[in-house]
Amino acid sequence: EVQLVESGGGLVQPGGSLRLSCAVSGFTFSDFRMSWVRQAPGKGLEWVANIKQDGSEKSYVDSVKGRFTISRDNAKDSLYLQMNSLRAEDTAVYYCGRGASTVGYWGQGTLVTVSS
Amino acid sequence: QSALTQPPSASGSPGQSVTISCTGTSSDVGGYNYVSWYQQHPGKAPKLMIYEVSKRPSGVPDRFSGSKSGNTASLTVSGLQAEDEADYYCGSYAGSNVVFGGGTKLTVL
Repeated sequence: EVQLVESGGGLVQPGGSLRLSCAVSGFTFSDFRMSWVRQAPGKGLEWVANIKQDGSEKSYVDSVKGRFTISRDNAKDSLYLQMNSLRAEDTAVYYCGRGASTVGYWGQGTLVTVSS
Repeated sequence: QSALTQPPSASGSPGQSVTISCTGTSSDVGGYNYVSWYQQHPGKAPKLMIYEVSKRPSGVPDRFSGSKSGNTASLTVSGLQAEDEADYYCGSYAGSNVVFGGGTKLTVL
């Protein structure tokens, strides 16, 4: 069974940092591109970033470029999102997903709240 | 990286068919056959319903179908059932990026 489990969310002050993790199981992690997608409270889905299987290619939505970094550890079957210089508008549930152009499987999400 | 355009709401009675549109540009929907549709029930993670315009993942009922014409993709739900009531999002590859629609709330009357 494919499983993706996010962790690392929480309350952080504006300008602060958080690192999200996504542990996967049930498939060969190194065979798939991976994505982060977020959803602000009561709003729609927003693609955040994706990463190639070997980590050599990364893409970001313009609003997080220079602040967020996506990475992966294929030995640990884990995906990460380092979020720096957080803003109120980054408040959202963050989902990790398997795939890039198509997200075939989603985690349950982790809530990030940016507030003073 | 502009969002794709979806109607905010759609509705139909049980057994009827409903079609939800998703309009983009030649840089996303019209330029690639990588349009996906996701179903999201309240408080739950999205679920993939259609990928590559018209393909259904294993386990998705054949009541769900997808198509595309030019810069507009469509999701059709036939034989509406109560459990189909949810938010539906389209997504498209846009050349290394991905863009989603704003979502459509489907109500089963």
